Amino acid sequence: QLQLQESGPGLVKPSETLSLTCTVSGGSISSSNYYWAWIRKPPGKGLEWIGSIYSSGSTYYNPSLKSRVTISVDTSKNQFSLKLSSVTAADTAVYYCARRADTSGWAFDPWGQGTLVTVSS
Amino acid sequence: DIQMTQSPSSVSASVGDRVTITCRASQGISSWLAWYQQKPGEAPKLLIYAASSLQSGVPSRFSGSGSGTDFTLTISSLQPEDFATYYCQQAKSFPITFGQGTRLEIK
Repeated sequence: QLQLQESGPGLVKPSETLSLTCTVSGGSISSSNYYWAWIRKPPGKGLEWIGSIYSSGSTYYNPSLKSRVTISVDTSKNQFSLKLSSVTAADTAVYYCARRADTSGWAFDPWGQGTLVTVSS
Repeated sequence: DIQMTQSPSSVSASVGDRVTITCRASQGISSWLAWYQQKPGEAPKLLIYAASSLQSGVPSRFSGSGSGTDFTLTISSLQPEDFATYYCQQAKSFPITFGQGTRLEIK
């Protein structure tokens, strides 16, 4: 059964770059017809899609974050990563990684457990 | 961007009640809609995909309907473990967007 696990620093200083990794187990990140995604939930707010990378390597980003976001895949480690530059307090959130597949109508499933990232000096 | 609007924002109900949550898309999305349940401290859990398909392992008291712009999630008989926040999400096009959430509380 596919499992995803986020990892990375829980505290990032303003203006610095937030870097997170999602490790995929129980399946290959190289498999065709999947998107690998990052989603976040700021405290007291709803879910926000950050971006996705397709199995072909194509990337898709939320226009509101596009200038600051990079998503990449490391097939040798079965991981994909998120980099968000020039962070502010507004980027404080629980960050989730997830998969999208055509077998579930391109919905997000499964999800990682999430990791809280706080932006503060 | 496709805007997703849920109603109500919150609802109070009792165990055994039937509850319906609605989600409206700002433009037609065919059946490209998913519903999630999220409890505090947990990741969202997929309940329904393709508007009406029940995800494996999800109890049959959950059901989804609709197409185009108007969708509903129905819980036929509320159980104590169903009190949570529910989100809809359109899967038709980028950027992917979610509804603002509906908080289901115990009356």
